[in-house]
Amino acid sequence: EAGVAQSPRYKIIEKRQSVAFWCNPISGHATLYWYQQILGQGPKLLIQFQNNGVVDDSQLPKDRFSAERLKGVDSTLKIQPAKLEDSAVYLCASSLGGATNEKLFFGSGTQLSVL
Amino acid sequence: AQSVTQLGSHVSVSEGALVLLRCNYSSSVPPYLFWYVQYPNQGLQLLLKYTSAATLVKGINGFEAEFKKSETSFHLTKPSAHMSDAAEYFCAVTRALGNQGGKLIFGQGTELSVKP
Repeated sequence: EAGVAQSPRYKIIEKRQSVAFWCNPISGHATLYWYQQILGQGPKLLIQFQNNGVVDDSQLPKDRFSAERLKGVDSTLKIQPAKLEDSAVYLCASSLGGATNEKLFFGSGTQLSVL
Repeated sequence: AQSVTQLGSHVSVSEGALVLLRCNYSSSVPPYLFWYVQYPNQGLQLLLKYTSAATLVKGINGFEAEFKKSETSFHLTKPSAHMSDAAEYFCAVTRALGNQGGKLIFGQGTELSVKP
């Protein structure tokens, strides 16, 4: 079974530039998550989709971050403009239906460095 | 609101020794609790989960965790550490999103080192 695919693997940009990350979840998984993992911390949920609708985006900095999940499959996360504090690993995950006790499958992440 | 606290950001054990990683939770309702492991340069993968069926939960790679309501704890253990167990371990709890499932709230992580 193919896992969650993310690209790029690494990205280095300067502050105030824009950047986009891409995620392809496991086939058939209705729920898709974007997490931000700052060095030394646990992952923090940014946004959760159920099919192509947003379930939770309460911790997404909407003035600079945006995400979409067209057709309920692939998703992109964008940052514009980037700040130094956005340096982190951005993890995408998916699950079958989004139930409370469900297992999440994670991609390897995109490591972003903002200089 | 649900949350988890992991005690100790770094734990070091010798190969063959007992592994004990501590996690305490805060929840106003019966929680769903999870342990995930993150190997270097890889995504997180599920070790085990507690969903109220049994208080002692067995997971992959010989790990297990016991849910203790009286202590609000869900500590992760393994009787004998292997070098391959060196990784970052995250405890997590689910926060319900009404009738739209839940979202996973992670602790800050514990890095496990295994010495030969």
